[in-house]
Amino acid sequence: NAGVTQTPKFQVLKTGQSMTLQCAQDMNHEYMSWYRQDPGMGLRLIHYSVGAGITDQGEVPNGYNVSRSTTEDFPLRLLSAAPSQTSVYFCASSLSTSGGARGELFFGEGSRLTVL
Amino acid sequence: DAKTTQPTSMDCAEGRAANLPCNHSTISGNEYVYWYRQIHSQGPQYIIHGLKNNETNEMASLIITEDRKSSTLILPHATLRDTAVYYCIVRVDKLSFGAGTTVTVRA
Repeated sequence: NAGVTQTPKFQVLKTGQSMTLQCAQDMNHEYMSWYRQDPGMGLRLIHYSVGAGITDQGEVPNGYNVSRSTTEDFPLRLLSAAPSQTSVYFCASSLSTSGGARGELFFGEGSRLTVL
Repeated sequence: DAKTTQPTSMDCAEGRAANLPCNHSTISGNEYVYWYRQIHSQGPQYIIHGLKNNETNEMASLIITEDRKSSTLILPHATLRDTAVYYCIVRVDKLSFGAGTTVTVRA
């Protein structure tokens, strides 16, 4: 199994540009989520999804859009990039949608984004 | 939703046990405690989880107090490769990870 795959691994954008970070999992997990991690800080939840067609906001959703048209894919869109969005982005998935005994999160390797 | 509190940092000698505490006083009866670690800037890695019984796997042991308001992750024989940030969380959705505990294992 590939697990959780994120692309691209590195990206440099100019202010105002838009882009999509891709996330795919092959474990048939219902729950998927996006986090950002700034230097020296923990992971902050941006958006999450408990199944195809269902998304919700996390702690820091502004400036980001998501959609979940399939169980496998959960792309994160930056509509108009700002320097404050320079960060490392992690996608994660889980079998369970609400924690519990099977709430183990599987993480991707991260996407490092720089906005100039 | 339950939140957790952890010490900011701790040091441990190589070969000794590392005991990492976590407080989760508002945990609900059906919420599990999960532990992850993050080495350098890699994606966090799952370590162990539990509900109310103590748990052990090849990586660590998890001790949960009887009232479930706190837990301790035990790395029985810490190695230099265990240097990482360790996160304790009690629910996956709607919550960010806190800053965790930065564990430094010293030779």
